[in-house]
Amino acid sequence: DGGITQSPKYLFRKEGQNVTLSCEQNLNHDAMYWYRQDPGQGLRLIYYSQIVNDFQKGDIAEGYSVSREKKESFPLTVTSAQKNPTAFYLCASSLGTTSDWSTDTQYFGPGTRLTVL
Amino acid sequence: AQSVTQLGSHVSVSEGALVLLRCNYSSSVPPYLFWYVQYPNQGLQLLLKYTSAATLVKGINGFEAEFKKSETSFHLTKPSAHMSDAAEYFCAVTRGGSQGNLIFGKGTKLSVKP
Repeated sequence: DGGITQSPKYLFRKEGQNVTLSCEQNLNHDAMYWYRQDPGQGLRLIYYSQIVNDFQKGDIAEGYSVSREKKESFPLTVTSAQKNPTAFYLCASSLGTTSDWSTDTQYFGPGTRLTVL
Repeated sequence: AQSVTQLGSHVSVSEGALVLLRCNYSSSVPPYLFWYVQYPNQGLQLLLKYTSAATLVKGINGFEAEFKKSETSFHLTKPSAHMSDAAEYFCAVTRGGSQGNLIFGKGTKLSVKP
């Protein structure tokens, strides 16, 4: 079955530690995204990537980093510089290859809940 | 700049009653609009999307939405609520330009009473 997997489902981090959240897709999509979700805030874009080896900052990129070395993988690192990292993190992907990719549907993974202790 | 406003952070209906979730948008370009549903501790699932074809869009699970340019609205409706519809619903608009990513509303949590 095609889809997006995120691991781990729950993650606990001590203050001052970096952690990496995994996102893998087997949908053969070019575009991938990372969102952060906080209660009552909706989803906010952290980073996105339209193609391998290229990515752009979203609205709240400070304290986060990403890489896109393979088409199917888009890991997110939450660094110690992120002041309030406790949140639900969602990864998504879309085709990204159409001439107008604004119409592309984004498909979401099940999410990772990060808690800082 | 594009934006989305969802009116009402919580909506409660009785089973069998009409569901109406409100979404208004602001966009400097012709908008593409989406409704997603999220069940607790899960990712988002697409309900339906508007991409400038028919103004009345039918989605999964009996939901539909009507694009009204004059009102800048894209409200989500379902004639008869079911207990399984209890979830959080997000309206989104594409950012436009070459970015192709979404701007989400803050969500509306739907409760269904027996």
